[in-house]
Amino acid sequence: GAGVSQSPSNKVTEKGKDVELRCDPISGHTALYWYRQSLGQGLEFLIYFQGNSAPDKSGLPSDRFSAERTGGSVSTLTIQRTQQEDSAVYLCASSYGTGGDNEQFFGPGTRLTVL
Amino acid sequence: GQQVMQIPQYQHVQEGEDFTTYCNSSTTLSNIQWYKQRPGGHPVFLIQLVKSGEVKKQKRLTFQFGEAKKNSSLHITATQTTDVGTYFCAGSTSGTYKYIFGTGTRLKVLA
Repeated sequence: GAGVSQSPSNKVTEKGKDVELRCDPISGHTALYWYRQSLGQGLEFLIYFQGNSAPDKSGLPSDRFSAERTGGSVSTLTIQRTQQEDSAVYLCASSYGTGGDNEQFFGPGTRLTVL
Repeated sequence: GQQVMQIPQYQHVQEGEDFTTYCNSSTTLSNIQWYKQRPGGHPVFLIQLVKSGEVKKQKRLTFQFGEAKKNSSLHITATQTTDVGTYFCAGSTSGTYKYIFGTGTRLKVLA
């Protein structure tokens, strides 16, 4: 594909339900990032995958949040038992993850609304 | 943990005026990136700075990385309405490609 894609673009769910957000990175990019952006706010780091290394999960806000990256490509962010404060835009980004070229390419995001 | 602050939070300028946003990290960085996010859009990469004291220019935009590699600035000369958006810095520390984004500066340009 030409860029990073995310699905769904919008998700409305009820409090307490689980949701899965998907990210398709640019082919060949070894690094994949998930960020959360609340309305009018900055980007909050959630998790980072680099190749086959163990992911850096230091930004996940609670154990309701988890993410996996299968085959070094597609990633899924799962939020269990959603809460209203989880409402935000979830952005995925990928990069080559090398020393000289770390430009992050962002997807369009998934807007999550928890009622 | 690592924190990255930006000032100002908001800036309104008349078209043609200059604009500067400053980025300060609580820890020494290995490199810093700058992104622009238009209203309703996603962040778009502008530049990456790696060397202490580095200065890079892109047309009307000038980026600086501090000597101590803990601060950076973005300066726009003669702003245009197309410069409207939020500018974020993002810093990474040695040994990782994890980036912590700054709080952002929202720029409005009045025609």
